Amino acid sequence: SQQGEEDPQALSIQEGENATMNCSYKTSINNLQWYRQNSGRGLVHLILIRSNEREKHSGRLRVTLDTSKKSSSLLITASRAADTASYFCATLGTDSWGKLQFGAGTQVVVTP
Amino acid sequence: GAGVSQSPRYKVTKRGQDVALRCDPISGHVSLYWYRQALGQGPEFLTYFNYEAQQDKSGLPNDRFSAERPEGSISTLTIQRTEQRDSAMYRCASSPRQGSTGELFFGEGSRLTVL
Repeated sequence: SQQGEEDPQALSIQEGENATMNCSYKTSINNLQWYRQNSGRGLVHLILIRSNEREKHSGRLRVTLDTSKKSSSLLITASRAADTASYFCATLGTDSWGKLQFGAGTQVVVTP
Repeated sequence: GAGVSQSPRYKVTKRGQDVALRCDPISGHVSLYWYRQALGQGPEFLTYFNYEAQQDKSGLPNDRFSAERPEGSISTLTIQRTEQRDSAMYRCASSPRQGSTGELFFGEGSRLTVL
């Protein structure tokens, strides 16, 4: 079973535009993480936000967390063709220490 | 090595055969995780270790699946009497911290095809 659900499932944008994807989850969390996966390769960690944080930035990435709504969003600003990938949110539940659970992902295509 | 190494990268086997997938984590990493990923889906948790101790194996689908990490470094995921439904990408990840409190570092995966 997967904890998180990403929305939309797929997103197509042009270079320079912003890309926003959302993640909803079901149980209380310790932290929420976002990962990127290029063409079936290994997942790469992007950013981690803890349950007591509301917003975090890393370069062109901005993550928000609303624990009352059990949701998070990932914003990629000024997208590039190299941002084409699948993006996954993953949650560490407060009652499942160590068991990081992933959603089904959002597939992002950035066209030049 | 510099990253998480998995072998074999590709494994094709016949139904009923046993397979062993190996993971060599980043040196010094405490925690090691196994995930399974179907095409178009996110990774599905199988099991994880802190050092040599298996902390959670709740994601293993059935008793044909087992994992070990005897010396707290290299880990092996074994699937006995393989079935076609076992075909998937099997991913290993490691972390310098216990319990997913920080980021996971993933390997490239082992793609298993059961004929």
